Amino acid sequence: EAQVTQNPRYLITVTGKKLTVTCSQNMNHEYMSWYRQDPGLGLRQIYYSMNVEVTDKGDVPEGYKVSRKEKRNFPLILESPSPNQTSLYFCASTPEAGMNTEAFFGQGTRLTVV
Amino acid sequence: GENVEQHPSTLSVQEGDSAVIKCTYSDSASNYFPWYKQELGKRPQLIIDIRSNVGEKKDQRIAVTLNKTAKHFSLHITETQPEDSAVYFCAAVYNFNKFYFGSGTKLNVKP
Repeated sequence: EAQVTQNPRYLITVTGKKLTVTCSQNMNHEYMSWYRQDPGLGLRQIYYSMNVEVTDKGDVPEGYKVSRKEKRNFPLILESPSPNQTSLYFCASTPEAGMNTEAFFGQGTRLTVV
Repeated sequence: GENVEQHPSTLSVQEGDSAVIKCTYSDSASNYFPWYKQELGKRPQLIIDIRSNVGEKKDQRIAVTLNKTAKHFSLHITETQPEDSAVYFCAAVYNFNKFYFGSGTKLNVKP
């Protein structure tokens, strides 16, 4: 089944403790991105990747890192999480970086930083 | 960058009525306009989309209209059903899959 898979689904952590949220897609998509969803703000892009080893900042990149060493994986790293990073996170992929098409979303990761 | 505004933030309709959600965008370079439905606790899923060279698109009870001159697009749901209750997001897309989402509309369809 074609899908985008995120792990974990739920995570509670403490301020300053490094964490990684994994994202994997099995559709051979070029483009992958991370969003955070906050009430009243919709989905805002954190980082995106147009292909392996090609990543760039989205609209709200502060406090996050990403890497794209393989086409299928695009992990989101929080080196030193803070309470304002408590949010619902979605990974998404689209087939081609150069053509605007449907974004396929993962199941979401609800992160709480205390 | 692009700015997408979505209205209303909440919408309550009676089953069988129509629902309309409106979005405006600011950047005329945007050329792809998808609509996503997000049920409670679920991921956003595409329900319909339209490209800038098309003015209207319909899929059963759902339709989207685009006015490029005025920079606005709308989602129309006819004969609403309780299972249409969800949060709906519009997006304007340009520059290599750069998505800008609206803030969402919570639709409640009352039986």
